[in-house]
Amino acid sequence: SQQGEEDPQALSIQEGENATMNCSYKTSINNLQWYRQNSGRGLVHLILIRSNEREKHSGRLRVTLDTSKKSSSLLITASRAADTASYFCATDAGNRDDKIIFGKGTRLHILP
Amino acid sequence: EAQVTQNPRYLITVTGKKLTVTCSQNMNHEYMSWYRQDPGLGLRQIYYSMNVEVTDKGDVPEGYKVSRKEKRNFPLILESPSPNQTSLYFCASSFLGRLDSPLHFGNGTRLTVT
Repeated sequence: SQQGEEDPQALSIQEGENATMNCSYKTSINNLQWYRQNSGRGLVHLILIRSNEREKHSGRLRVTLDTSKKSSSLLITASRAADTASYFCATDAGNRDDKIIFGKGTRLHILP
Repeated sequence: EAQVTQNPRYLITVTGKKLTVTCSQNMNHEYMSWYRQDPGLGLRQIYYSMNVEVTDKGDVPEGYKVSRKEKRNFPLILESPSPNQTSLYFCASSFLGRLDSPLHFGNGTRLTVT
């Protein structure tokens, strides 16, 4: 079952611009996390947001969560070449079971 | 150094030849999980474990087995691999389940079944 779906599938922007990625999910959750993956390597945790939170910041990252719309967004400000990667959202299954479900990811390419 | 260690990194095998991919974590994490990653499909959960001797199916468990005899180890077993199990596999662990804490990922195992 597909819980999280990222949008867009791919995004190319100029260095210095802001990048926004969205994640939608279908059922209620307790927590949502965002991860980065560089070219076939292991995923790296970026930020955790809980269902009772609306916004969190970490450095150049800003994550929002709208539980009424079942969606989250990840904003990367002042993008750098090193931000080129795939970004995934992950959601739990609420209180139904202990599965963790990832979306298909957004491939972000930062142009020099 | 806190880490999740998967072995091997690359594996080429033939249909039907049993194999095991090992996963070990040194962070005393309760939760461990296996994922496979395929182009266009993202990461799909195969099995997960909330604690020793407790394992549950993820979304794509067919053709795989796991065991959790010790807290630190969570091997993935393919009893009779088939070509459709050719994929990139990741092991991950976290202190708590249900995304209450960050997942730590291994570097992946690229499996090819011919």
